[in-house]
Amino acid sequence: ETGVTQTPRHLVMGMTNKKSLKCEQHLGHNAMYWYKQSAKKPLELMFVYNFKEQTENNSVPSRFSPECPNSSHLFLHLHTLQPEDSALYLCASSQRGGGLAGDTGELFFGEGSRLTVL
Amino acid sequence: AQKVTQAQTEISVVEKEDVTLDCVYETRDTTYYLFWYKQPPSGELVFLIRRNSFDEQNEISGRYSWNFQKSTSSFNFTITASQVVDSAVYFCALRIKTGANNLFFGTGTRLTVIP
Repeated sequence: ETGVTQTPRHLVMGMTNKKSLKCEQHLGHNAMYWYKQSAKKPLELMFVYNFKEQTENNSVPSRFSPECPNSSHLFLHLHTLQPEDSALYLCASSQRGGGLAGDTGELFFGEGSRLTVL
Repeated sequence: AQKVTQAQTEISVVEKEDVTLDCVYETRDTTYYLFWYKQPPSGELVFLIRRNSFDEQNEISGRYSWNFQKSTSSFNFTITASQVVDSAVYFCALRIKTGANNLFFGTGTRLTVIP
């Protein structure tokens, strides 16, 4: 039990489908993140939210739409994806974000959502 | 620009052998943090250690030890007397103090411990 829960763990979708990934953290953190992990590539930061406000969008295509209704929940809405979007999507949280004093940067990760786009 | 290099893509060792995972980083910042994470087959990345740029003291935690050398920009990780449960992908990461909140990850080293 990592304190960060992601659902679903596995998702298969067609290119015309709309689906969402959900992340919930039980650690009392106020920063949440989406990362993409593709085979043989470094983890790619997608989005960062601090206190529910998006503070980082790492040039992510608009077919990925994040939503952060509160500090404990983070969604990634998926629409008209491409096969190359197939990857492990990891959610993470940390105590603070944005380089604030005292933020030493440990992230706590969920187990990921394995996405396959057909 | 920041960069983390883990040159070893895959390593296999026999149980009880010692193994060292290499990590070389690049940054022009003088204040930064280095991390190691473990990713078991279940998928989540498990935080192992954080080291700040002003603390070059090596650290030992049980069978794990870390060697931080600023002169060579390296932060290597050694597992002593490896066990099958150590089989995982290990990621080294760098975070700078200024700018956006981000960790720069290496591509990871897959360690397989053979019983």
